[in-house]
Amino acid sequence: DAGVTQSPTHLIKTRGQQVTLRCSPKSGHDTVSWYQQALGQGPQFIFQYYEEEERQRGNFPDRFSGHQFPNYSSELNVNALLLGDSALYLCASSLGGFSSYEQYFGPGTRLTVT
Amino acid sequence: GESVGLHLPTLSVQEGDNSIINCAYSNSASDYFIWYKQESGKGPQFIIDIRSNMDKRQGQRVTVLLNKTVKHLSLQIAATQPGDSAVYFCAGGGYSTLTFGKGTMLLVSP
Repeated sequence: DAGVTQSPTHLIKTRGQQVTLRCSPKSGHDTVSWYQQALGQGPQFIFQYYEEEERQRGNFPDRFSGHQFPNYSSELNVNALLLGDSALYLCASSLGGFSSYEQYFGPGTRLTVT
Repeated sequence: GESVGLHLPTLSVQEGDNSIINCAYSNSASDYFIWYKQESGKGPQFIIDIRSNMDKRQGQRVTVLLNKTVKHLSLQIAATQPGDSAVYFCAGGGYSTLTFGKGTMLLVSP
């Protein structure tokens, strides 16, 4: 049973650039949530996708956008990168409905902005 | 909004001891609470959860206690092992989102 997978593992970008991170949910899951985890902090909710739509969003600017595909995989896009965007980006999948219950996390993508 | 935090940033224990990690929350509207374990270089791993209408739940070597009167949550790990060394997060859950605290690092020495 495949768990949540994310790509790439690590990424280095320059300020002002754009980045796309990818996530494949756990088999059987249809909901994907994205989190940003700064060093030494707990994950912060960015947004959640269900049925290819953004269902809820945390306190993140519009530079952060996403997409969910018919196969339930998802992308996180960040435009105009800032140094403060350097973090571990986590994807979590769950089984639909209006609940975040039992979210399974991927290993994350470590983004470094220089 | 939800605010979830932890009392101690680091907890050091001896192998075989019981560990207790604490968490305080401010929003009584959370439907459930979850404890996650995060090892270095990995994503958070689900340990155990508890619904807001419960006081206690037990798993394999772990017990979560919820005290709604004082808005306090704890994770008890029995017979702590070196493999338990990690950062532990509590998270409050509601509609669509999880709100995490900052985490407690558990260090287990042999």
